[in-house]
Amino acid sequence: NAGVTQTPKFQVLKTGQSMTLQCAQDMNHNSMYWYRQDPGMGLRLIYYSASEGTTDKGEVPNGYNVSRLNKREFSLRLESAAPSQTSVYFCASSTSTDTQYFGPGTRLTVL
Amino acid sequence: QKEVEQDPGPLSVPEGAIVSLNCTYSNSAFQYFMWYRQYSRKGPELLMYTYSSGNKEDGRFTAQVDKSSKYISLFIRDSQPSDSATYLCAMTGWDGGSQGNLIFGKGTKLSVKP
Repeated sequence: NAGVTQTPKFQVLKTGQSMTLQCAQDMNHNSMYWYRQDPGMGLRLIYYSASEGTTDKGEVPNGYNVSRLNKREFSLRLESAAPSQTSVYFCASSTSTDTQYFGPGTRLTVL
Repeated sequence: QKEVEQDPGPLSVPEGAIVSLNCTYSNSAFQYFMWYRQYSRKGPELLMYTYSSGNKEDGRFTAQVDKSSKYISLFIRDSQPSDSATYLCAMTGWDGGSQGNLIFGKGTKLSVKP
């Protein structure tokens, strides 16, 4: 039982490049989330998916898109990366919307 | 006013000390309260979960919720160097919509010195 897994662990992009962050969970959770964590800002919700087939914007959705591929997988896409998107990205999942279980994170640097 | 306020620290204590970590909040609809522990360069892990007011104890950890004061606390007894981490409070008030999402404090960085 791996819990929540994320790939890649690290990534360096140049401004304007695109990339997709992958997340998968094996806990049969309905809800999945993408956060970014920046020094002094705490965890901020980018997008979430309350159930398979639905996605909604969180606090900071601009510059990102998401896909809930199936119940297990939830991906985050940066279409045109900007230096302001340099951050640590965490995926999480939960059975409802209270207790969430987090992945190990992806450290992204945009030059 | 931020929905959840948490002193970022850093907080440094000697091994064996009792640690008190706190959060205040403004939304009276919050009724589920959590504490997460995050080690350096790792994801947050759930430490304690409490519904509504009262205390909950798990080993050396005690979580307290005072809804009348909109104040939650995490106490760590006999603190150990392995407790050195950032502690994040989180809370939500489930109403079936986006308001059910977790709201996090910014975290308090704790260092326990041997």
